[in-house]
Amino acid sequence: DADVTQTPRNRITKTGKRIMLECSQTKGHDRMYWYRQDPGLGLRLIYYSFDVKDINKGEISDGYSVSRQAQAKFSLSLESAIPNQTALYFCATRSQGDTGELFFGEGSRLTVL
Amino acid sequence: GEDVEQSLFLSVREGDSSVINCTYTDSSSTYLYWYKQEPGAGLQLLTYIFSNMDMKQDQRLTVLLNKKDKHLSLRIADTQTGDSAIYFCAEMLPSTGRRALTFGSGTRLQVQP
Repeated sequence: DADVTQTPRNRITKTGKRIMLECSQTKGHDRMYWYRQDPGLGLRLIYYSFDVKDINKGEISDGYSVSRQAQAKFSLSLESAIPNQTALYFCATRSQGDTGELFFGEGSRLTVL
Repeated sequence: GEDVEQSLFLSVREGDSSVINCTYTDSSSTYLYWYKQEPGAGLQLLTYIFSNMDMKQDQRLTVLLNKKDKHLSLRIADTQTGDSAIYFCAEMLPSTGRRALTFGSGTRLQVQP
């Protein structure tokens, strides 16, 4: 089983719909991240969390919100999806006080029509 | 702006060496990373280098760091078809309190038989 699990893996939705992408991890890491990948733009940070009470905005947080329900769970929501949010979304985790290695999920591909 | 820059595409023949280049933004970055993304998968850490090092070698991989020019390179010796993937350079920015990594746009390596 994967250490970082994302659901759904693929989703097609319509403009204006609310979408939630879920991430769970079994690595016991405190730090969790949501990144967005677009062709030619690499990965851009949306939100990150150091524990259930610590949520921080990344470079492209507008239009997104997150919830850290437990140490192992970190959800990303699009309150009202728009077509330019069509992208591949990655959840990642990281342990504290190390070299900074991120452990990624397999990604959630979201298409907004 | 804060951009980690990479060329988008590199094509080599099987058995040749591949060199993927990256320029990063902050000379005080503590760690610099190379991640590999295979088709349909998340990113996996390939190697990293601490900022007080000039070179790191790990089997077929050689990382060179030029702090003066803020230039990082990844050399893959005896490139194989299984090395075909997207390679991302990343840095840990002190301005983020070492909280998150900033990624480049990724270099797609195509290995021709």
